[in-house]
Amino acid sequence: GENVEQHPSTLSVQEGDSAVIKCTYSDSASNYFPWYKQELGKRPQLIIDIRSNVGEKKDQRIAVTLNKTAKHFSLHITETQPEDSAVYFCAASIRERGNQFYFGTGTSLTVIP
Amino acid sequence: DVKVTQSSRYLVKRTGEKVFLECVQDMDHENMFWYRQDPGLGLRLIYFSYDVKMKEKGDIPEGYSVSREKKERFSLILESASTNQTSMYLCASRSDWTRSSYEQYFGPGTRLTVT
Repeated sequence: GENVEQHPSTLSVQEGDSAVIKCTYSDSASNYFPWYKQELGKRPQLIIDIRSNVGEKKDQRIAVTLNKTAKHFSLHITETQPEDSAVYFCAASIRERGNQFYFGTGTSLTVIP
Repeated sequence: DVKVTQSSRYLVKRTGEKVFLECVQDMDHENMFWYRQDPGLGLRLIYFSYDVKMKEKGDIPEGYSVSREKKERFSLILESASTNQTSMYLCASRSDWTRSSYEQYFGPGTRLTVT
């Protein structure tokens, strides 16, 4: 099955700086890559996703890039704010019936005011 | 606007007890999932279901079973709870791939402690 590795496991940045979280996947058939944010004590929520026919997607301060050849994708957060502090999970999946999301182990991001 | 609910936020059970965790979604989703979340290990899939009465093992099914008798409800069962099953349990649901949205919605979680 698919194996998703996520780095780093913890990340601290100064407010206003950028943060980058990287994930690699093993199954070249994976074609859907979501990112979830989990604030302390809350449920994970989707913040951005990308499909394999797109190399980059942006939503305000958040962007995701995908390199299918190298089988890795990254989350970029610019102009970080304290409310960006959370655990971020990447995942990979094949968009077909009956398929699961394979999650990375998470990155705990702390934005220092 | 809560869409996935779980029967309990906190649960304390004794070793050997049978434990039922219930999850209900109101979005008419085909797929439902049970994960456990432990520090440093991320979200590990226990079981999932892509249709009523259908179930598939995830990465860590040992010691668990599931039931899906109705589309909106997915139950996780610990036949004989053990201390190593102390964890946060998250339910999730997702529409079929044919729909425009493929977002997976999570429940609030049940923190289970087995003593």
